[in-house]
Amino acid sequence: QVQLQQWGAGLLKPSETLSLTCGFSGRSFSGYYWTWIRQTPGKGLEWIGDINHSGSTNYNPSLKSRVTMSIDTPKNQFSLKLTSVTAADTAVYFCARLHGGDSTKYDYWGQGTQVTVSS
Amino acid sequence: DIQMTQSPSSLSSSVGDRVTVTCQASGDISDNLNWYRQKPGKAPEVLIYDASNLEMGVPSRFSGSGFGTHFTFTISSLQADDIATYYCQQYDSLPYTFGPGTKVEIK
Repeated sequence: QVQLQQWGAGLLKPSETLSLTCGFSGRSFSGYYWTWIRQTPGKGLEWIGDINHSGSTNYNPSLKSRVTMSIDTPKNQFSLKLTSVTAADTAVYFCARLHGGDSTKYDYWGQGTQVTVSS
Repeated sequence: DIQMTQSPSSLSSSVGDRVTVTCQASGDISDNLNWYRQKPGKAPEVLIYDASNLEMGVPSRFSGSGFGTHFTFTISSLQADDIATYYCQQYDSLPYTFGPGTKVEIK
């Protein structure tokens, strides 16, 4: 049974760094892109970026200057760091697995983490 | 970036009704489109992939069609459990983008 479990700080002050980690339990960590997506009432679902098992990354250009993703394959974990947060980064953050090959879809998701940025 | 629009933004229908949601892409995305359902407080879950393929385990009352820039999602017979927000998502080009969602309620 594939599961994604995510964790990290939920309350930040402006200018701090958001840090979230997602752990995967299942058969294989390789062969997929591991993704971060966030959701706000105003902008809806926003793709932040993804990373594969070898560390190759893709980032949303709108966030690229502040985003770093990393992966720890032996631990089956991947992480998101977003620097210099502002109130606009307040959102529910999801990790997800991008199933590729002949059917590209987000087939497994984490439970979501509410991150609030407030002074 | 490919912009995705959806209509309507919300709808209210009776149990048993046929419900249709449309999704339009700002550029040609072939059939590189998925549909997701999100229930309150939960993560989205994929229902339809590659525009028209039903995800394993998803009831057959859900279907999708379309190609290029115009897509349709249909619930053939609305059930009470279908109360949710539905999103289209393109994966033709990065950054992957989602539609703004269609909230479905029971009348």
